Amino acid sequence: DAGVIQSPRHEVTEMGQEVTLRCKPISGHDYLFWYRQTMMRGLELLIYFNNNVPIDDSGMPEDRFSAKMPNASFSTLKIQPSEPRDSAVYFCASSFYGDPWETQYFGPGTRLLVL
Amino acid sequence: GEDVEQSLFLSVREGDSSVINCTYTDSSSTYLYWYKQEPGAGLQLLTYIFSNMDMKQDQRLTVLLNKKDKHLSLRIADTQTGDSAIYFCAELSSSNTGKLIFGQGTTLQVKP
Repeated sequence: DAGVIQSPRHEVTEMGQEVTLRCKPISGHDYLFWYRQTMMRGLELLIYFNNNVPIDDSGMPEDRFSAKMPNASFSTLKIQPSEPRDSAVYFCASSFYGDPWETQYFGPGTRLLVL
Repeated sequence: GEDVEQSLFLSVREGDSSVINCTYTDSSSTYLYWYKQEPGAGLQLLTYIFSNMDMKQDQRLTVLLNKKDKHLSLRIADTQTGDSAIYFCAELSSSNTGKLIFGQGTTLQVKP
């Protein structure tokens, strides 16, 4: 398996623009997680899905952030409008409920810079 | 609530042992983990321990679990420069299926 795939790997945009981050989880995994990592705040869980249904979105910072999972093989995280403080590395991870260790497999991340 | 705490930075000399410590709050957590993040990459599972174990050894890695004190440690023997990374402690949430609670991460610097 190719692992968790994220695109784009790098994104530079201007304040006010819409940003869409994409994630393809590992085939057969039924959990999908979106994290944000910054120097100041460390690793934060933004939202996670189980069987394409959002379970916990309490980590989503504000209404400018939205996430969807239209099917088992694709998810998006959208920021509209973007602000400089959204600059961070955004990770997607997936896991499989039947895995006894419930290991989360992380993608390589999308490095977002909002100018 | 569920919370995991780690020290932020550790510096050791190549060949020495490294010990990274972590405390957690959820006594009902069944699994505890150590993840490693190398520069520019995502997190990768390094090792895990089940809550009914006190110790787990895997080559150069030794995980110790003190349930009474809710303390988890990761010992890396014969630390190499390639071990330089951020190490995250995590617990499996007992209240939210599938969710991991991560610590802030400990940056390990290995000096030659």
